[in-house]
Amino acid sequence: QVQLRESGPGLVKPSQTLSLTCTVSGGSITSDGYYWSWIRQHPGRGLEWIGFISYNGSSYYNASLKSRLTISLDTSNNHFSLRLTSVTAADTAVYYCARDPGYYDTSGYYPNNWFDPWGQGTLVTVSS
Amino acid sequence: EIVLTQSPGTLSLSPGERATLSCRASQSVSSSFLAWYQQKPGQAPRLLIYDASNRATGIPDRFSGSGSGTDFTLTISRLEPEDFAVYYCQQFGTSSLTFGGGTKVESK
Repeated sequence: QVQLRESGPGLVKPSQTLSLTCTVSGGSITSDGYYWSWIRQHPGRGLEWIGFISYNGSSYYNASLKSRLTISLDTSNNHFSLRLTSVTAADTAVYYCARDPGYYDTSGYYPNNWFDPWGQGTLVTVSS
Repeated sequence: EIVLTQSPGTLSLSPGERATLSCRASQSVSSSFLAWYQQKPGQAPRLLIYDASNRATGIPDRFSGSGSGTDFTLTISRLEPEDFAVYYCQQFGTSSLTFGGGTKVESK
């Protein structure tokens, strides 16, 4: 079964770039119809979807983060990554990666827009 | 952006009781794009229900989802000790994906 694990620095300075990796095991990130998402949870608060990248490299971002955000695939290492520039304290959160298994119809693959499974999450603190 | 409002904020119940959680959307949501998750302290959310009423793999049948349009409900028919947690609804529509603020189900 597919498992996901986030990794990256736990502390980032304001104005710098936050970079995280999600390593996928038990399946290929290029398997047809899979969509790979990042979601974050501010301390003690609810969940915010960040964006996703598809099995074939197409990406779709939360409009509120789009100008600072890049999500990419690394097929050789079977992982996908998040890069968020110009961070502030408001970007302090637990960051989760998750899979959307997608579905197929006659015109191709599409995201289900729900997430299963999730990684365990990694806390990123933005502070000087 | 569609806003999801969950109520109540906290539900205090005893094991064996029935839990009814509400998720109300600011605009109509396609039932195909409404999901529910359970989150326990220190853990990632776990998918319970997708497409408003379909249980995810391995989810006990005491969990059920219903609703359409702007009003959706998650019901836990008989609370087990492991069901005390925070529950989130989530939707996708009008090119945005959002989560509700959560309902905490706590032991009375």
